[in-house]
Amino acid sequence: GQQVMQIPQYQHVQEGEDFTTYCNSSTTLSNIQWYKQRPGGHPVFLIQLVKSGEVKKQKRLTFQFGEAKKNSSLHITATQTTDVGTYFCAGPFNAGGTSYGKLTFGQGTILTVHP
Amino acid sequence: DAGVIQSPRHEVTEMGQEVTLRCKPISGHNSLFWYRQTMMRGLELLIYFNNNVPIDDSGMPEDRFSAKMPNASFSTLKIQPSEPRDSAVYFCASRIAGGGDTQYFGPGTRLTVL
Repeated sequence: GQQVMQIPQYQHVQEGEDFTTYCNSSTTLSNIQWYKQRPGGHPVFLIQLVKSGEVKKQKRLTFQFGEAKKNSSLHITATQTTDVGTYFCAGPFNAGGTSYGKLTFGQGTILTVHP
Repeated sequence: DAGVIQSPRHEVTEMGQEVTLRCKPISGHNSLFWYRQTMMRGLELLIYFNNNVPIDDSGMPEDRFSAKMPNASFSTLKIQPSEPRDSAVYFCASRIAGGGDTQYFGPGTRLTVL
């Protein structure tokens, strides 16, 4: 079945260091989404990428969608303690037919930032 | 606008008891998803509905779990009887058709079964 894998599972950084998490899908995706879950919170939508090779920025966060639309990355420049949390990528579930918005989530990357 | 609403936010119960979790999706959203999150298993999709109709319940772990969506503004997830291994955070999420695949999560219900 369709799988979405994320690496690394955990990342510990010093405040001010950069951080990158990678997402790989076993199938081509029509789009990829990124969510952030703060400790004790719920997943919150960050962004959606649709086009092959697309790059989007949100302040210190840079999101990329691979040319083959099977991989993606999230890069945070100069991490801050507010960046702490789990970052998930997710792609539309694709097994033929209509999925009604079902997503396949990666396992998430847990980011901790030491001040 | 109100987001997805879940109740209760915390539930502590004893093994064998019935537990009912509730969700109110965002008004106008067509699809509703129930997830379970644990450290060991991560975020798991249990069941989802479209226009109040269950589409896929293959993620429901056992017959002890059941879910209903009697109308567009309300859904329940019931566990009967509950077991300690059901302890987890249960999230409800909703999505609007034509709005891409973005899901909006509720705050979750933290369930502890003693």
